[in-house]
Amino acid sequence: QLQLQESGPGLVKPSETLSLTCTVSGGSISTTSYYWGWIRQPPGKGLEWIGNIYYSGSTYDNPSLRSRVTISVDTSKNQFSLKLTSVTAADTAVYYCARLVTTVTIFDYWGQGTLVTVSS
Amino acid sequence: EMVMTQSPATLSVSPGERATLSCRASQSVSYNLAWYQQKPGQAPRLLISGASIRATGIPARFSGSGSGREFTLTISSLQSEDFALYYCQQYNNWPLTFGGGTKVEIK
Repeated sequence: QLQLQESGPGLVKPSETLSLTCTVSGGSISTTSYYWGWIRQPPGKGLEWIGNIYYSGSTYDNPSLRSRVTISVDTSKNQFSLKLTSVTAADTAVYYCARLVTTVTIFDYWGQGTLVTVSS
Repeated sequence: EMVMTQSPATLSVSPGERATLSCRASQSVSYNLAWYQQKPGQAPRLLISGASIRATGIPARFSGSGSGREFTLTISSLQSEDFALYYCQQYNNWPLTFGGGTKVEIK
């Protein structure tokens, strides 16, 4: 059974960089059939796609966040990561990692999510 | 960016009744539309893709329909475990976008 688990600091100061890692277990990240992505959900609000990465390192990201987002992959550790720079309170959200099916770009497996609060 | 609009924001339904949720796209997304269910404190769960194809393990009481700009998720007979938030997502164009959600609550 595929599992995804987010990890990283739950509190980040304004203007600093948010860093999260997603560890994939029960399956290989090095597969041609899937992307690996990040989605966030501010408290009480809807879902926002941040971006995703292929095992080769090619990425797609949301233009609204592109200048601040870096997504990377470490196939040796079966992990992928998110960095979001210059954070503000508006970046406070539950951050999910998920698997996307490449042929239909839907999210079929999700991590449990991790709350990241931006506050001094 | 493709804007997805869901209605109503909240739907009050009695157990055993039918629930009909709507999702409208700002431009045609063909059949490239998925539905997710989210319960409090949990990650979303994929229900339907391709506008009408149920994901593995999803009960038959969930059905999707539509194409182009207008889509519907129908829950034929609401069970207690179906009271939740529902989101649509288009994957016809980048960036991937979600609707604002419909909360299905107990009447």
